[in-house]
Amino acid sequence: GAVVSQHPSWVICKSGTSVKIECRSLDFQATTMFWYRQFPKQSLMLMATSNEGSKATYEQGVEKDKFLINHASLTLSTLTVTSAHPEDSSFYICSAREPGLVGELFFGEGSRLTVL
Amino acid sequence: AQSVTQLDSQVPVFEEAPVELRCNYSSSVSVYLFWYVQYPNQGLQLLLKYLSGSTLVKGINGFEAEFNKSQTSFHLRKPSVHISDTAEYFCAVSDLQGAQKLVFGQGTRLTINP
Repeated sequence: GAVVSQHPSWVICKSGTSVKIECRSLDFQATTMFWYRQFPKQSLMLMATSNEGSKATYEQGVEKDKFLINHASLTLSTLTVTSAHPEDSSFYICSAREPGLVGELFFGEGSRLTVL
Repeated sequence: AQSVTQLDSQVPVFEEAPVELRCNYSSSVSVYLFWYVQYPNQGLQLLLKYLSGSTLVKGINGFEAEFNKSQTSFHLRKPSVHISDTAEYFCAVSDLQGAQKLVFGQGTRLTINP
């Protein structure tokens, strides 16, 4: 199956700094990627839909200026958590859909962010 | 808009016993249905999916699920579980059109005891 890779897997940063998480589709081109956030022992909450070459579509309640999403190429989307605070600590997971494959999403390994 | 309800947050089962993880969904339109598994500190892996056709869907690792339109359910089953099946299981739906965003249920923690 298709492979989606995230980097870094773990990141610890100081409050007030910005952190960038990368999501790559390794063996296919993804015009659309999705970013999810998962709190401990909870479900995945969709944050935004990342569209190659255009602005991301954010879900209600997600701060656009806080979570910057860039989808500059067909194989790379990035999520930047700006001016991170402890409440931004979470597990962030990206996913992508392989063109022509109905419905199914392929997920990255996830990135655990801890803000001190 | 769609929603998914997983009725059990935790399911403890003895090894080699059968298991059923329940999932009900709500939608005003036709949907695709999925079950994903998540191991600790990892992303999600697809177990199986229902797009159309036969309502009984077989997936990886011996899992299967049955789509019941009248009951709006998509329960996951396995006749005999193994220790390695210990994980978090998520039911999800997406609509057939547009971005086909996945909406997840709350998850069910399956714990297999020896």
